[in-house]
Amino acid sequence: EDQVTQSPEALRLQEGESSSLNCSYTVSGLRGLFWYRQDPGKGPEFLFTLYSAGEEKEKERLKATLTKKESFLHITAPKPEDSATYLCAVQAGISNFGNEKLTFGTGTRLTIIP
Amino acid sequence: DAGVIQSPRHEVTEMGQEVTLRCKPISGHDYLFWYRQTMMRGLELLIYFNNNVPIDDSGMPEDRFSAKMPNASFSTLKIQPSEPRDSAVYFCASRQGRFYEQYFGPGTRLTVT
Repeated sequence: EDQVTQSPEALRLQEGESSSLNCSYTVSGLRGLFWYRQDPGKGPEFLFTLYSAGEEKEKERLKATLTKKESFLHITAPKPEDSATYLCAVQAGISNFGNEKLTFGTGTRLTIIP
Repeated sequence: DAGVIQSPRHEVTEMGQEVTLRCKPISGHDYLFWYRQTMMRGLELLIYFNNNVPIDDSGMPEDRFSAKMPNASFSTLKIQPSEPRDSAVYFCASRQGRFYEQYFGPGTRLTVT
């Protein structure tokens, strides 16, 4: 069974204090790893897709990286508006039609203090 | 594009009543997913459709839950009869093709009293 574990559950940072969020996964062949941001009362908002170990993607103050066992979401010099819950999800690479399921972690709740 | 549209945004109902949640996917997307989010279990996939056909409903918790997609621009998730443990936020998401990200709607917050 595919599993995704995110850590820490919650993280409080001062504005400008860089850090990383972790997503560890166990999957039967990885087709893709997805990062989403979720604000209170809203649906998850897509950030990145990573497909293979060694791949990196960046968007503003966020950078996502991928290894064979985990992914990191690095946040550089965060601002209060970066406060949100960050979700990680994996899609297995089994090629038989029908395996379109995303398995989500429980998220990291990030708070940036001005 | 307006994104994925869901209605209603909030629903409060009494135990035993029928509840219908609605979703309009992004135009041109051929996959549609229904999720449920709770504090205890996080985001769980309930069912998904490809080209309006249900492909995997193994996440539907009980026979009280049913979903339909009569055309490419509309889907419903129905709970009958509803129970307090069905209280959660229900999300609809859509995707274009097999290898791309899913886009989520704003969700429907369901409260069953």
